[in-house]
Amino acid sequence: KAGVTQTPRYLIKTRGQQVTLSCSPISGHRSVSWYQQTPGQGLQFLFEYFSETQRNKGNFPGRFSGRQFSNSRSEMNVSTLELGDSALYLCASSPGDRGNGYTFGSGTRLTVV
Amino acid sequence: GIQVEQSPPDLILQEGANSTLRCNFSDSVNNLQWFHQNPWGQLINLFYIPSGTKQNGRLSATTVATERYSLLYISSSQTTDSGVYFCAVERNNYGQNFVFGPGTRLSVLP
Repeated sequence: KAGVTQTPRYLIKTRGQQVTLSCSPISGHRSVSWYQQTPGQGLQFLFEYFSETQRNKGNFPGRFSGRQFSNSRSEMNVSTLELGDSALYLCASSPGDRGNGYTFGSGTRLTVV
Repeated sequence: GIQVEQSPPDLILQEGANSTLRCNFSDSVNNLQWFHQNPWGQLINLFYIPSGTKQNGRLSATTVATERYSLLYISSSQTTDSGVYFCAVERNNYGQNFVFGPGTRLSVLP
């Protein structure tokens, strides 16, 4: 069965621009979570969507937003990019009603210049 | 919020050696998982282990929830075991959002 697919794999953007990242979960999974990974802060939870609703949110500014579509695919958007937003962005999908089955995608590496 | 600590932060082994990685967490949790991040950034789920002991080949894990720690054992290490090992915990058990530890970076030398 297909895994979690994230696109694009790599992205270079300029400060002030905005970016949209995409995540397609494993078929049947209803929950999609997003994480930011940086060398300084490690892996930090951004938000989680379940059945098109944001169910949990981490401590990130409002420039970070997301949504989930009816087919469970999710997008996250970062507006007014800052140099500090350079990171590996990982999404994970899970059934959403039990703790196992949590599977990560390969990530999108965003570089802000 | 829950705090997660992992030790040691770095570990260098010769191929064939055994190792134990530790994860301590500050509060009761209902979900604990171990992940391996390979050099290309892919996070692979190793164990879903909120309590008890599990084994998968050369890897095994034990979680003692009442004492708030988990151990990951790697036996007969191989160079492909290199990477960063993360412990992640969740207060609920719905696979919603994890708090990750800082990781243990393992280097296995040939």
